[in-house]
Amino acid sequence: DTGVSQNPRHKITKRGQNVTFRCDPISEHNRLYWYRQTLGQGPEFLTYFQNEAQLEKSRLLSDRFSAERPKGSFSTLEIQRTEQGDSAMYLCASSSAGKGPKFETQYFGPGTRLLVL
Amino acid sequence: DAKTTQPNSMESNEEEPVHLPCNHSTISGTDYIHWYRQLPSQGPEYVIHGLTSNVNNRMASLAIAEDRKSSTLILHRATLRDAAVYYCILRDGIKAAGNKLTFGGGTRVLVKP
Repeated sequence: DTGVSQNPRHKITKRGQNVTFRCDPISEHNRLYWYRQTLGQGPEFLTYFQNEAQLEKSRLLSDRFSAERPKGSFSTLEIQRTEQGDSAMYLCASSSAGKGPKFETQYFGPGTRLLVL
Repeated sequence: DAKTTQPNSMESNEEEPVHLPCNHSTISGTDYIHWYRQLPSQGPEYVIHGLTSNVNNRMASLAIAEDRKSSTLILHRATLRDAAVYYCILRDGIKAAGNKLTFGGGTRVLVKP
């Protein structure tokens, strides 16, 4: 059982730089989610994919953010021109969507902690 | 999205039960009550969920009020490993909006040895 993996685990960058995070979901899961969590708060939904299709994006996902899941397997989240307010934990989760939200359980990765200086 | 209200924090002694309340007075008929917890430096993990009837699993029990406007997560014998933030989340069982998890602030549980 490999679980959901995320890389890198930590990233420090300077304001204005671009960063990219990767998420590898559990292999048989067709749904993949991105969340953001700031200190002391619960995670906030950013976007999700079913297979390679991006089905929903939060208003939190500004034009500087882009997410892809090119072959319906791993996903990347890119932040362009980072700002200090982007400093947060970025969490990825995956699930099998077959039974719908009544029964669906999301499995989270350990997250990527981003610090923008 | 229907909102949930939880206490900010609770303390418990090891080996004692912990009752975590959650108020959701605006719950709709198709909303399921889900609980996740987040251990320190980890992503959230699923604990339990239910609709109307009380539910038990190896991790916890979920007691749902008859009017469904509140629920209680019960950890029967708290261990130090149960120290975490516990989130009560409503998920629409019909609409696509129920696909994402909407977290509130959660309850931070401290377990004392």
